[in-house]
Amino acid sequence: QQPVQSPQAVILREGEDAVINCSSSKALYSVHWYRQKHGEAPVFLMILLKGGEQKGHEKISASFNEKKQQSSLYLTASQLSYSGTYFCGTEVRGNQFYFGTGTSLTVIP
Amino acid sequence: NAGVTQTPKFQVLKTGQSMTLQCAQDMNHNSMYWYRQDPGMGLRLIYYSASEGTTDKGEVPNGYNVSRLNKREFSLRLESAAPSQTSVYFCASTALAGAMGTKNIQYFGAGTRLSVL
Repeated sequence: QQPVQSPQAVILREGEDAVINCSSSKALYSVHWYRQKHGEAPVFLMILLKGGEQKGHEKISASFNEKKQQSSLYLTASQLSYSGTYFCGTEVRGNQFYFGTGTSLTVIP
Repeated sequence: NAGVTQTPKFQVLKTGQSMTLQCAQDMNHNSMYWYRQDPGMGLRLIYYSASEGTTDKGEVPNGYNVSRLNKREFSLRLESAAPSQTSVYFCASTALAGAMGTKNIQYFGAGTRLSVL
C-alpha cells in the first residue's frame, strides 16, 4: 500500500529541472508532498486534492491525476536549497495515510 | 509556538533495555503518530492515535507500545530493545485524522536517533 516513487535518486546542476513521480495502487483522495533536509524532520510542501488541481510553491509545482492514481512534483530552475529527500504521502479510502520511500535530490553548483 | 517537541534527541541502549520516547504538541491537534525511518524504507507508521483515548497499530507495531497521555502528549515505549529497532523515530500530529485533505497535513518533530547495541 506504500506508494512507489521514482526516481530513487537524482543529481542536478543548478538551474536544471527535475520531475519526481508518485504512483499508488489504491484510489487516492489526495496527495501530499514533503521535503526532508539531511538530519532534519520532513516539512510539508503542498497538498493536492481530488480534482486534478495543480499547486505551486516557489518554483516547485505538482499535479495529481486521480484516474491514474499518480502525482508528479516539478522542480524548475533548481537551486542549491532544493537538495533533500522528497516524499509523497497518499490518502486512501478508510482514512489511511502512507508515505512513499522517498527520492533523494542533490543539486550541485 | 514550538509545534511538535520530541525528547530525547539521541539515545544509545543496550539490547534488552527499555525506554520511552516522549512527544508533545501545542497546536491543539487531535491526532498523533509515531513513525520510524530507516535508510531506503521511507517513513513507516508504528502506531497512531486518532483522538485522545484511542490508539491503533500501524504497519510495524511489533516491539512497541504507546500511550496517549492527554491531548498534547503521545509516548512510545520500547519494552526490550533489539538491534533491529535502531532507527530514527519521528512523532507527528495532524488536526484531524480521517477528515482528509488539509486537516491531515502532518507536522513533524525533530526526531529521536536511537541506537541499540
